[in-house]
Amino acid sequence: EVQLVQSGAEVKKPGESLKISCKGSGYSFTSYWIGWVRQMPGKGLEWMGIIYPGDSDTRYSPSFQGQVTISADKSISTAYLQWSSLKASDTAMYYCARTPTKHSSSWFHYWGQGTLVTVSS
Amino acid sequence: EIVLTQSPGTLSLSPGERATLSCRASQSVSSSYLAWYQQKPGQAPRLLIYGASSRATGIPDRFSGSGSGTDFTLTISRLEPEDFAVYYCQQYGSSLPYTFGQGTKLEIK
Repeated sequence: EVQLVQSGAEVKKPGESLKISCKGSGYSFTSYWIGWVRQMPGKGLEWMGIIYPGDSDTRYSPSFQGQVTISADKSISTAYLQWSSLKASDTAMYYCARTPTKHSSSWFHYWGQGTLVTVSS
Repeated sequence: EIVLTQSPGTLSLSPGERATLSCRASQSVSSSYLAWYQQKPGQAPRLLIYGASSRATGIPDRFSGSGSGTDFTLTISRLEPEDFAVYYCQQYGSSLPYTFGQGTKLEIK
């Protein structure tokens, strides 16, 4: 069974750094793209970027390029989303999700449970 | 960037009725690379439809997708109580980013 298990909720202050994780199991972690999706409180879904853990090929939405870093550690089947300096506007639920094929042009077939990030002074 | 506009923003219907949700793209979506997701409060999105019209595994056949180019539709033939949720479309066939629509909330009338 394919599973994506995300790290727990975080409460941070503006300016702090953060790295949240998404651990894949039940499949070959290096063979499928994993993406990140933001959902701000009461709002819709926003596509942030994707990574292919097999070779760390990473693609970002222009809206998020330079604002976050997506990475993966294939030795432990885990993808990451990180911030170097959080802002209050980063407060949101963040979902990781996996494509069903090796192609980057794909929908998200499997989803993690979400990680709530709260940034407040 | 392709902008997806979903309509209506909110749809109020009763169980047993037919629901028709629209997703319009600002430019043609290549190869009908369009997906639909359902999201209930406090839950992650769930894939319903991919490739504009293919149902994901385990999705009831009352859900169907259609369309091509710039106009796509999700139809729920007979609403069940568990179908009341927010629905999102997503295109994944063009250049990045693979954008989502803003969502349609399907509520009980």
